[in-house]
Amino acid sequence: GENVEQHPSTLSVQEGDSAVIKCTYSDSASNYFPWYKQELGKRPQLIIDIRSNVGEKKDQRIAVTLNKTAKHFSLHITETQPEDSAVYFCAASIGAGTALIFGKGTTLSVSS
Amino acid sequence: NAGVTQTPKFQVLKTGQSMTLQCAQDMNHNSMYWYRQDPGMGLRLIYYSASEGTTDKGEVPNGYNVSRLNKREFSLRLESAAPSQTSVYFCASRKPDTVTYEQYFGPGTRLTVT
Repeated sequence: GENVEQHPSTLSVQEGDSAVIKCTYSDSASNYFPWYKQELGKRPQLIIDIRSNVGEKKDQRIAVTLNKTAKHFSLHITETQPEDSAVYFCAASIGAGTALIFGKGTTLSVSS
Repeated sequence: NAGVTQTPKFQVLKTGQSMTLQCAQDMNHNSMYWYRQDPGMGLRLIYYSASEGTTDKGEVPNGYNVSRLNKREFSLRLESAAPSQTSVYFCASRKPDTVTYEQYFGPGTRLTVT
């Protein structure tokens, strides 16, 4: 079945620096790759996603890149702010279906 | 719209007891999902229902059963709770269109099995 590996598990940056989180997936049929942010005690919320027919997508300070050949995708956050501190999860669809398999998460800490 | 709602918010069970976690959505979504979240383990898919009348196993289905009661409701049942099922349980739902695959999560149920 689908397996999603996420690295690093923790990431500490200074305010204003960039942060990069990387994920790899195993199922070549996966076609949807979202990123979720979860603040302490809250529910996960989608921050950006990418479909397999697109190589890169940007939304203000957040970008996601996808390399289908290598089966990996990355989240890039520029000009980090303290409010970016949270746990970030990547996910990949199970084949072309509706269900997702999540990575184990990255705890991002942004210090001012 | 209330979005995705879950009941109860908190529950403590003794080993061997049974209970049902309830989930409902008022967004007319087709697909619904149950996840468990444990420290350091991310979100693991237990069961999902791609549409009303269908259910499928996810990554960790053992010890659980589900019922898609109608389009709005998707319940998760623990027949004989075990301490290994102590976790935070999230329900989610997804729109039927193909423009976005975003899953909307409920607030979670924190379950402790002693």
